[in-house]
Amino acid sequence: ILNVEQSPQSLHVQEGDSTNFTCSFPSSNFYALHWYRWETAKSPEALFVMTLNGDEKKKGRISATLNTKEGYSYLYIKGSQPEDSATYLCAFGAGGTSYGKLTFGQGTILTVHP
Amino acid sequence: SAVISQKPSRDICQRGTSLTIQCQVDSQVTMMFWYRQQPGQSLTLIATANQGSEATYESGFVIDKFPISRPNLTFSTLTVSNMSPEDSSIYLCSIQDRRGYTFGSGTRLTVV
Repeated sequence: ILNVEQSPQSLHVQEGDSTNFTCSFPSSNFYALHWYRWETAKSPEALFVMTLNGDEKKKGRISATLNTKEGYSYLYIKGSQPEDSATYLCAFGAGGTSYGKLTFGQGTILTVHP
Repeated sequence: SAVISQKPSRDICQRGTSLTIQCQVDSQVTMMFWYRQQPGQSLTLIATANQGSEATYESGFVIDKFPISRPNLTFSTLTVSNMSPEDSSIYLCSIQDRRGYTFGSGTRLTVV
């Protein structure tokens, strides 16, 4: 059973604060690490797909880093806005016979207060 | 990326009954995935559905409880059979595309 863990479980920040979350995953049989943003009653929205150790990706105020050797990824949000409030999910994509299947963390619930 | 239409978006069902969830994709895809998120838990893969063959179920999930149909390359259904309150969850379908994975908007099921 693969273990993908996210921390913290929930986070409350003030508008304008910068914040970050952690995703830890198995360091073996790694294929890709996905980050999603999920708002209630909507589809999870893909933020990043990361495949290479040392990858850094950026999309507006959101960025992510990847360390496959030690099995962790960080997601950063700079200058949080109320519309950033959502659940942020990471998902581990394994290779080999498990290719195509994602194992998700429990998510980090972010609330940004005006 | 592809667009997935999933319905119903929510339902409240009596225990012992069954609910069928549908996902329609606007393009042809080989594999479709069905996930469940129970309250306070992670999104968990139920099964992988390929067109023209039986779905492959993950450990802890069986075909009698979660029968899946995949009649063509754009459509799939998941049935939650003989429901109990423990089946109250969000159910999501997903496909793999150029951006990684695209999800339906989910079905929020409450079993009473």
